[in-house]
Parts: sequence; C-alpha cells; structure tokens
Amino acid sequence: AQTVTQSQPEMSVQEAETVTLSCTYDTSESDYYLFWYKQPPSRQMILVIRQEAYKQQNATENRFSVNFQKAAKSFSLKISDSQLGDAAMYFCAYRSRANAGGTSYGKLTFGQGTILTVHP
Amino acid sequence: DAGVTQSPTHLIKTRGQHVTLRCSPISGHKSVSWYQQVLGQGPQFIFQYYEKEERGRGNFPDRFSARQFPNYSSELNVNALLLGDSALYLCASSLQGASYNEQFFGPGTRLTVL
Repeated sequence: AQTVTQSQPEMSVQEAETVTLSCTYDTSESDYYLFWYKQPPSRQMILVIRQEAYKQQNATENRFSVNFQKAAKSFSLKISDSQLGDAAMYFCAYRSRANAGGTSYGKLTFGQGTILTVHP
Repeated sequence: DAGVTQSPTHLIKTRGQHVTLRCSPISGHKSVSWYQQVLGQGPQFIFQYYEKEERGRGNFPDRFSARQFPNYSSELNVNALLLGDSALYLCASSLQGASYNEQFFGPGTRLTVL
C-alpha cells in the first residue's frame, strides 16, 4: 500500500516571500501521479499542481512549482511571491497510474496536510 | 457550468442512527468517489463508482455503502452511526474512473454524530 507523509503540520510565510512545503511518499510502483491540493477554510479541495512520475521535468503552474525527486520519493511544493489568498491547508496526494485489476484506479492517497499561514 | 454539489451541507445525528449523503457530479462526469476527512487529517478514500458499478473500496466497515444512479449522481449511506463517523464527507467526480482523469471535489457535507 502507498503512504504519503507531510512532516510539517504548520508553515508560515510573509506576503511576497517564498515558501516550500515538503512531502515524501512510499510506493513500490514505478508509474504514478502526484498532486498538491489546496483546501481553504471554505473546505473546497482545489487542485494546485500535478506531476506525472514518468516525466523528469518538474511541473510548474504560475507561482507554484514542484521539486520531484523520484529516487528519493520526495515531492515538495514551492510557492513564490506568496499572497494572502494562498493561506490554506495543503495536501500532497498520490494516485497509481496502473489499472490494478479495475479497482481503485481513481483512488487518491492523501498526506496529513500542512497549514500555511501568510502574514501581511 | 455547475461544479460538484453535495447535500446537505451540515448534518447532526445521534449514535445508532442512519444517514444518507448525496452528490451530484459535474455534467458529463461518469465517475464519483467518496472520501472521509476527519478534522485535522487528510481525506481517506471510501468508494469509487463508475457507470453505476463499484470500482474501488477503501478500508471502511460494511456500515458504509454507496450507490450510483443512472444520472451518475451518488448516495453514501452510513448505518449504525458511531461518534468516530463525525467528519467532513467529500465527493469528487471525474470524466471516467481512469487514473489520468482529474478529480473535482465538492464542498463536502459536515456530519456530526452526538
């Protein structure tokens, strides 16, 4: 079974600064997807960025970028030029790419989350 | 277009009761997944349905059941409620059930069991 670990329960950053959120995972699979989701107080889970394990290039989405280290099973999220609206709970998540006999191939495995506070 | 909708928003039940939570996927999406998020933790996978068939089940007791209707909406049922069932229940929809399909989440239903 896959596991996802976020070792930082809370992080804080000053507005306009850069912050990095950490995530490690454990899997025996070679092909999978990794995600960062944002959950603001409104509770709506929003996809921030996605990385496909077979792609060596790190994904970027505007101010958000990842550092994907497949051998180390590490997947960190960097938020540049932090804004007040970035304040939320951030979750790292894993999903297998393989269709394991037709079961659970859409299943997301989440980490425990990191609360990000942005100070003005 | 409307996103994933869930009802009700909040629900209070007592131990031993039964509860039904509802989810309407984004128009055109045929797969629905359910997750349980206990306060302060990450969501845990409960079920996935695609074309009205169960395609995946997480490590939850048989008190939890679900179904998907011909219009692709879904219900999650929980029997014999326990205090530990208090959580935010999230529904996510995707075009199909495949691993490459992005899942779009609803706002959730907050269930409190007293």
